[in-house]
Amino acid sequence: NAGVTQTPKFRILKIGQSMTLQCTQDMNHNYMYWYRQDPGMGLKLIYYSVGAGITDKGEVPNGYNVSRSTTEDFPLRLELAAPSQTSVYFCASSYNQGAYEQYFGPGTRLTVT
Amino acid sequence: DQQVKQNSPSLSVQEGRISILNCDYTNSMFDYFLWYKKYPAEGPTFLISISSIKDKNEDGRFTVFLNKSAKHLSLHIVPSQPGDSAVYFCAVSTDKLIFGTGTRLQVFP
Repeated sequence: NAGVTQTPKFRILKIGQSMTLQCTQDMNHNYMYWYRQDPGMGLKLIYYSVGAGITDKGEVPNGYNVSRSTTEDFPLRLELAAPSQTSVYFCASSYNQGAYEQYFGPGTRLTVT
Repeated sequence: DQQVKQNSPSLSVQEGRISILNCDYTNSMFDYFLWYKKYPAEGPTFLISISSIKDKNEDGRFTVFLNKSAKHLSLHIVPSQPGDSAVYFCAVSTDKLIFGTGTRLQVFP
C-alpha cells in the first residue's frame, strides 16, 4: 500500500494564479482531510469529507475548494492564490471519524509570491 | 482561542535520558487524546493515544499520562534516542482532530 500520496511536493505560485493539490489514498478510507501548517503553528483543518460526494468546511476554508468524486481522491483547489496561502499542506485519511488515527501524506510546500 | 496548548516549543535531551513533552487542553469534555510525531519533509505519523477512561497508556519506550483534573497530558520517552528527534504534536479528538502547536525534541549524543 502506498498509503496517502500527494502531488506536487513543491510549488511556487504567483498572486492570483490557481492550482489544484492532488491527494490519493489506497486504504479505502471513508474520511479524508486537508490541513495546512504554518511555521510554529499546529495543523489547521481546511476541509474534510466523510465519503464520496460529501464535503464540509473545517476551521480555515476561505480561499479553498474541494471535491470528492471517488473514495480514493480528494483534491484541494486554490483559486486566486494569495501570499497568506503560503504554507505546507497535508492531506490525511482515516477509516472512521474522530477518535481514530489519521494517516497523513508527505505534504505539499506551497509558496505564493 | 487555542483549545490545545503545547507551551514548550522546543526540548533538548541527552541520549538515554527521559524526554517529557507536555500538553494542556481547555475542555473537560474531551475524551480521546493522541500524539503524533513529525520528521522534516514528512507528514505526521500516529504515535500513541489514550482514552479518558485511563490515566496511562504504554507502548514500548513511549508512555502517555493523562491528568483529567488538571486537563493535562504528557508523553514520556524512555530512554530517548537520537532517532526520536522530531516535532511532536498532541491532538484531541472530537469529531475532528484539534492539534497543538508542537514541541521540537532534539536528542543529542
